[in-house]
Amino acid sequence: ILNVEQSPQSLHVQEGDSTNFTCSFPSSNFYALHWYRWETAKSPEALFVMTLNGDEKKKGRISATLNTKEGYSYLYIKGSQPEDSATYLCAFSNNAGNMLTFGGGTRLMVKP
Amino acid sequence: ETGVTQTPRHLVMGMTNKKSLKCEQHLGHNAMYWYKQSAKKPLELMFVYNFKEQTENNSVPSRFSPECPNSSHLFLHLHTLQPEDSALYLCASSRSSGAANTGELFFGEGSRLTVL
Repeated sequence: ILNVEQSPQSLHVQEGDSTNFTCSFPSSNFYALHWYRWETAKSPEALFVMTLNGDEKKKGRISATLNTKEGYSYLYIKGSQPEDSATYLCAFSNNAGNMLTFGGGTRLMVKP
Repeated sequence: ETGVTQTPRHLVMGMTNKKSLKCEQHLGHNAMYWYKQSAKKPLELMFVYNFKEQTENNSVPSRFSPECPNSSHLFLHLHTLQPEDSALYLCASSRSSGAANTGELFFGEGSRLTVL
């Protein structure tokens, strides 16, 4: 059983604040680390797929970093907006197949 | 619109009923998945199909029976479920497996199942 942990479980921030949260995963046999954004009553949508140690990816105000040697990834949101409110999921795979193990998610609520 | 459509969106069934969940993808993908989201638990993989062949059954009880007639359609047949099976069932698709596949998943919006 692969252990993928996300922290914190939930987070309340004020509009305009920058925030970050963590995903930790097994550091052996790494293949890929995914981040998904899941808004209430919608489907999870992929934000990033990261495969290389030291990778840093950015999409608008959201960015992510990856450290495969120590087994963690950070997701950063700069200048949070109410529309950023969602659950952010990370998922890890350790082979080239289709099996992703998901973390429990970080639920972000941005207050106007 | 993610290109993955699930029906029904909500389903209430008794423990003796037989029902099915349906998933359809219009993305030309060859891999399809069923995931289960129970309250306060991470997404759990149930089944994986690649090119219509089941490649993963994650120790799922036999009261859940998947069917993949072609690469675009995936069903989950439900029979004699228990109240603890109440959950959100998510379907997803991706390009086929292989060394070049990063495995990005495209999800449907889920079918919310309540078992009475």
